[in-house]
Amino acid sequence: SQQGEEDPQALSIQEGENATMNCSYKTSINNLQWYRQNSGRGLVHLILIRSNEREKHSGRLRVTLDTSKKSSSLLITASRAADTASYFCATVVNYQLIWGAGTKLIIKP
Amino acid sequence: GAGVSQTPSNKVTEKGKYVELRCDPISGHTALYWYRQSLGQGPEFLIYFQGTGAADDSGLPNDRFFAVRPEGSVSTLKIQRTERGDSAVYLCASSSGTSGVGETQYFGPGTRLLVL
Repeated sequence: SQQGEEDPQALSIQEGENATMNCSYKTSINNLQWYRQNSGRGLVHLILIRSNEREKHSGRLRVTLDTSKKSSSLLITASRAADTASYFCATVVNYQLIWGAGTKLIIKP
Repeated sequence: GAGVSQTPSNKVTEKGKYVELRCDPISGHTALYWYRQSLGQGPEFLIYFQGTGAADDSGLPNDRFFAVRPEGSVSTLKIQRTERGDSAVYLCASSSGTSGVGETQYFGPGTRLLVL
């Protein structure tokens, strides 16, 4: 079963704009991770935020976590065409990664 | 190797046939995971190995699915009497197995299985 839900399901923006994706989940977690996937293959780990952290940065990526609302957001600043992909949040429950359905991001050049 | 590899990249089979999907994890990683991803969905957990043993197989959908990792490295996912609903991308991931719960998992490119 899937625990997370990403919002929006699809997002299309102009290159250079910021992209924000949200994720909600249902149960208590150890940590939450964001992944990127191109062309239905090759999941690439982007960033991990622990349950006791509220915000984390990595390059152009900013992730927030609100455990009281069971939600997380991923912000990509100054988007590039190469950022076009599907983005998934995954929550860690014991040793399992539980995934949402993803946000499909399209960056228009 | 440098990353997780999976073979074959694509597999087309007929309903009722048996298939084996192979995963070669990152060298030295003791934890290995199998996931299944249907079109437009996120991956769905199938099974987790720590070393040679299946630590959690709660995601296997039924007894037609079985996975082994006899020497604690390469793993094979086996599907008996395939059904059209088994069509999906099967993803394998590995992690170091040393950092405890929730460590970063590194994914292979997946095997796209199509059951006709």
